[in-house]
Amino acid sequence: DAGITQSPRHKVTETGTPVTLRCHQTENHRYMYWYRQDPGHGLRLIHYSYGVKDTDKGEVSDGYSVSRSKTEDFLLTLESATSSQTSVYFCAISESLTTADTQYFGPGTRLTVL
Amino acid sequence: AQSVTQLGSHVSVSEGALVLLRCNYSSSVPPYLFWYVQYPNQGLQLLLKYTSAATLVKGINGFEAEFKKSETSFHLTKPSAHMSDAAEYFCAVSGGGFKTIFGAGTRLFVKA
Repeated sequence: DAGITQSPRHKVTETGTPVTLRCHQTENHRYMYWYRQDPGHGLRLIHYSYGVKDTDKGEVSDGYSVSRSKTEDFLLTLESATSSQTSVYFCAISESLTTADTQYFGPGTRLTVL
Repeated sequence: AQSVTQLGSHVSVSEGALVLLRCNYSSSVPPYLFWYVQYPNQGLQLLLKYTSAATLVKGINGFEAEFKKSETSFHLTKPSAHMSDAAEYFCAVSGGGFKTIFGAGTRLFVKA
């Protein structure tokens, strides 16, 4: 299994509070991704990173920001959580940018916003 | 642009029966296609992928999928279902730039 951990694994928070989710990898892969998983929608890309300090938006980036100060860590921040951000969040990594490359997923973080 | 449609959000089979999970894709460029599996409370893991080398792709745990360009399909099959196959399965397409598009998923139930 690829060495990817996510913390916390579960979090309950209140509307309007800031939340930061952490993804940590030990594979030294250059590319990292944050997805959210919602019933009926599969996985949707929030943000991705193609190197330290290099990030870009995915298809559902509104309300989220990311940072990557080290190769191994990719942080996802909800500046002011809303109930619509209740979801399961997955981090993924890949070794290269080629479209045939496999993505390896972390175990997920279940976030509930009350 | 790419898109993926998985036909059937839930599929139920008996143990030992054929498993068939359907996936149709749309892509403006030659696609790369993937099937991922997700067991309860876990992340996704790769079952198999098509990268144009061969149209019949064999994956882990006895699964295989056939790329049919004329039908824009990439259906997943397994000849004989096991209880341990119960999971959610995601078809995905990648064909341009950075983005991989995932289908909505199909949950497979296996009855004893």
